[in-house]
Amino acid sequence: NAGVTQTPKFQVLKTGQSMTLQCAQDMNHEYMSWYRQDPGMGLRLIHYSVGAGITDQGEVPNGYNVSRSTTEDFPLRLLSAAPSQTSVYFCASSPGPNTEAFFGQGTRLTVV
Amino acid sequence: RKEVEQDPGPFNVPEGATVAFNCTYSNSASQSFFWYRQDCRKEPKLLMSVYSSGNEDGRFTAQLNRASQYISLLIRDSKLSDSATYLCVVNAYQAGTALIFGKGTTLSVSS
Repeated sequence: NAGVTQTPKFQVLKTGQSMTLQCAQDMNHEYMSWYRQDPGMGLRLIHYSVGAGITDQGEVPNGYNVSRSTTEDFPLRLLSAAPSQTSVYFCASSPGPNTEAFFGQGTRLTVV
Repeated sequence: RKEVEQDPGPFNVPEGATVAFNCTYSNSASQSFFWYRQDCRKEPKLLMSVYSSGNEDGRFTAQLNRASQYISLLIRDSKLSDSATYLCVVNAYQAGTALIFGKGTTLSVSS
């Protein structure tokens, strides 16, 4: 049972480059979300989705775009990478409101 | 005021010790509460949900006080394998659509 799968696991980008972090879940969960984790800051919500075609901003959305065309996939796009976006990114899914979330293994992104 | 606040620690305890972590949350409309565990460079994993009546899972006991907006986690008979960061989590964002995390409390258990 794969659960939540994130790719890539590691990535190095140059400032100004764009890329997409992939997230897929096979649990048929309606809710998905993206977090970033920085030292001393904890996990902060970037964007979230409550179903296909529905997305909304979290606490730190600037510099990131998302879309949800299917229940399974929730990609996170960095439009023009900046060193401040160096972080560990986690994707999570949950079956509904007020339920626990299941996390992918994370993507470690470095922007130079 | 931060939505979820925890004492960052670190808590350094010997094997067999009892240790307690505390957490406060600011949104009185929050409906669900969790403790997650995160090992170094790994993803957070659910340790236990927290209910108003209190709940226990082996050596772990979680309590919720809605009136004080306070959550606690008690670990009895600490093991070396309990060393990790413990995250207090509240499902408070936009009617429970996403989790809000505390910054975590680091526990180190030594022999």
